[in-house]
Amino acid sequence: TQLLEQSPQFLSIQEGENLTVYCNSSSVFSSLQWYRQEPGEGPVLLVTVVTGGEVKKLKRLTFQFGDARKDSSLHITAAQTGDTGLYLCAGAPQGAQKLVFGQGTRLTINP
Amino acid sequence: NAGVMQNPRHLVRRRGQEARLRCSPMKGHSHVYWYRQLPEEGLKFMVYLQKENIIDESGMPKERFSAEFPKEGPSILRIQQVVRGDSAAYFCATRRGEAEKLFFGSGTQLSVL
Repeated sequence: TQLLEQSPQFLSIQEGENLTVYCNSSSVFSSLQWYRQEPGEGPVLLVTVVTGGEVKKLKRLTFQFGDARKDSSLHITAAQTGDTGLYLCAGAPQGAQKLVFGQGTRLTINP
Repeated sequence: NAGVMQNPRHLVRRRGQEARLRCSPMKGHSHVYWYRQLPEEGLKFMVYLQKENIIDESGMPKERFSAEFPKEGPSILRIQQVVRGDSAAYFCATRRGEAEKLFFGSGTQLSVL
């Protein structure tokens, strides 16, 4: 069973469109993180959300942490071809010191 | 300050051989995590070590797999008697302290023939 479920698993859209990626769980997390991974490289941290209801913006990317700290979303406005990649959410279950990952969303932005 | 260094980047082994994957943490980082990733999938936690101690190995197979992080030198993930199903990308990640940011290496792609 997957502790963190990401949806959709694959998303292909045209440049300029908006999109939202979801990360859901039935468990409460002390924090959730979003990573982006390029082929042949390790994941790189984009953002960490800690407080329930928190919203963080990184240029055209908006990250939200659910009020109950069980889910998160990543919204990209006016997607660009450079946004293409694998987006992973990850969280530390309460009481645990390890980070668990969702299965990822493979995003392709077409010119 | 160099990033997390993993070597080799690519490792080819025949079934039954041993694979040794190395991870040199960033300077000052004493927490090391190993993850495994299959194509088009997320990262699966394997083991968490903190200088010479295994803190959590709940994701590590009970047989053939072992990990260490000695006082001096890199962390080693060792896979004995490899099988084709061990083929995957193995990533290590390190951080300075428990609440600190995690930095990933570029991974080792293990291919078992």
